[in-house]
Amino acid sequence: NAGVTQTPKFQVLKTGQSMTLQCAQDMNHEYMSWYRQDPGMGLRLIHYSVGAGITDQGEVPNGYNVSRSTTEDFPLRLLSAAPSQTSVYFCASSRGLAGVEETQYFGPGTRLLVL
Amino acid sequence: AQRVTQPEKLLSVFKGAPVELKCNYSYSGSPELFWYVQYSRQRLQLLLRHISRESIKGFTADLNKGETSFHLKKPFAQEEDSAMYYCAPLPFGNEKLTFGTGTRLTIIP
Repeated sequence: NAGVTQTPKFQVLKTGQSMTLQCAQDMNHEYMSWYRQDPGMGLRLIHYSVGAGITDQGEVPNGYNVSRSTTEDFPLRLLSAAPSQTSVYFCASSRGLAGVEETQYFGPGTRLLVL
Repeated sequence: AQRVTQPEKLLSVFKGAPVELKCNYSYSGSPELFWYVQYSRQRLQLLLRHISRESIKGFTADLNKGETSFHLKKPFAQEEDSAMYYCAPLPFGNEKLTFGTGTRLTIIP
């Protein structure tokens, strides 16, 4: 299994551009989520999904859209990039709602720089 | 390769006993270090950062540069500490961030 994969690894955008961060998992996990990690702030949840066709907002959803058309894929879209979205983005998945009973698997991250 | 290691996948501790969750890293320089916790049916959340030198819920973690470790400690375990704990160094520059694989802590009443 490849686990959780993310592309691209690194991206530079200009303010106002849009792009999609890809996330895929091959573990047949129902639960997927997107986090951003900023220096000094730790991980913050952007959006999550408990299954195909179901998504919900996390702590910092503004400026991002997600969709979950298949169990495997959970892309994150930046509608109009802003410098405040410069961050490292992590996708994660787990078999169920992660917690004591479920391990959450993280992707390698996408480093985004918005100029 | 840069990496972080949490050698214990499972750890069981009696209530009231001391807790130590191990984390070792192999990064050049001085990474910023975090511990994250995930309680049952809750989302991952930040527990503490070594820069802030805070004590959150009784937990502390000291960066030992000589041993390249960042172990999480608590003197007296409580039942509500049962959770999944992840160590996560944030390296400088273009190095890839790698989370530890996590340690599942179970507090035995």
